Order: sequence, then C-alpha cells, then structure tokens
Amino acid sequence: EAGVAQSPRYKIIEKRQSVAFWCNPISGHATLYWYQQILGQGPKLLIQFQNNGVVDDSQLPKDRFSAERLKGVDSTLKIQPAKLEDSAVYLCASSPAVGGGLYGYTFGSGTRLTVV
Amino acid sequence: QKEVEQDPGPLSVPEGAIVSLNCTYSNSAFQYFMWYRQYSRKGPELLMYTYSSGNKEDGRFTAQVDKSSKYISLFIRDSQPSDSATYLCAMSGSGGYNKLIFGAGTRLAVHP
Repeated sequence: EAGVAQSPRYKIIEKRQSVAFWCNPISGHATLYWYQQILGQGPKLLIQFQNNGVVDDSQLPKDRFSAERLKGVDSTLKIQPAKLEDSAVYLCASSPAVGGGLYGYTFGSGTRLTVV
Repeated sequence: QKEVEQDPGPLSVPEGAIVSLNCTYSNSAFQYFMWYRQYSRKGPELLMYTYSSGNKEDGRFTAQVDKSSKYISLFIRDSQPSDSATYLCAMSGSGGYNKLIFGAGTRLAVHP
C-alpha cells in the first residue's frame, strides 16, 4: 500500500510571500488532516476533511491559511502571506473513516517550511 | 493547562535498558490512546493503540492506560539504538469527528 505523499519536502521563503503544499492520501481514505508541527512540539491539527467537506478548521488561521480537497482526494494547503512563526513542518495524514481514534492516522513525511 | 502533557526529555539510556515514557491528560472524554514514533525528518508512525483502560503488549513494547489517574505509559524492553526517536502520545474521544490530540513528544536516545 502506497503511503501518504507530500511535496515539496523543503521550502524556504521570505516573510510575506505565499507558499502551497500538496498532499495525496492513501487510496480510499476518506478523511484527510493537515497538522502543523513546530520544532520541539507535538503536531497540532489545522484542518480536517471528510471526503471533500471540512469538518474541523477551528485552529486554522483563516486570515492567512487556506486549504481545499478537490474531488475528495488530493489536498493543498496554502499560506499567504507567510509570517516568521509559520516556520514548521506541515504534516498531512489520512485515515479510512471518521474518528481517528478508531483507526489511527497514517502520516506523510511532511513539508519543512522555513520563513526568513 | 494543556490537554495532554508529555515530558520532552531528552532521555538517554544504554542499550538493553527498560524505557518508560509517560503522558498525563485532563480530558476525561478521551477513549482512544496511541503512541507514535517519529524518526528525524520523518512523519509520525503508529506504534501502539489502546482503547480505554488496560495493557497491551506487542513484542518489546507495552502500552498501559490508567483512566482513573488520566495517565498513560509506554514501556520499551531491551531497548535498541534503532529505538532512538521521538515518541508522541496521542488521544481522542469516541465521537465521530474527534481529532487526535498529541503530546509534545519525548526524545529518546539509546546508546550502544
């Protein structure tokens, strides 16, 4: 079974620039998550999709972050404009159905963003 | 107060030692408890999964959940250098869209 694919692996941008990350979940997984992991901290959920609908974006800074999941498969996360504090690893994860507690998540390797 | 507290370490042990990793939590609604292992520059991978209270063993790994104390543990027996990683506890409630809440992670180094 192919894992969760993410690109790019690394990105360095200047503050106030924009950036986009891409995620391809495991085939057939209905639920997709974007997490932000700041150095030395655990992952924090930004947004959760069920198929192509958003079920939780309560911690997404909507003034600068946006995400979409077209056709219930691939997803993109965008930051515009970026701030220094956005420097982090952005992890995408997927699970077969709702309720991560029942199935756990499969994570991608993440995109490491550095904002200078 | 954070929902999930985990000592970030680092924890350094000799090869063959028994390692104990712990998390405490405040939300009594949590029902599912997991441990993820994260190697440097990799995403977290699911290591152990426990529902409600009790113990679960898988090879050298044992997960324990004590819901009365809101305390979970992961024990690693006969630790190996390949176990060197960050260990993240995670937990969620039983509702349909309940998300996983992670601890900060404990960095473990097992030296030969």
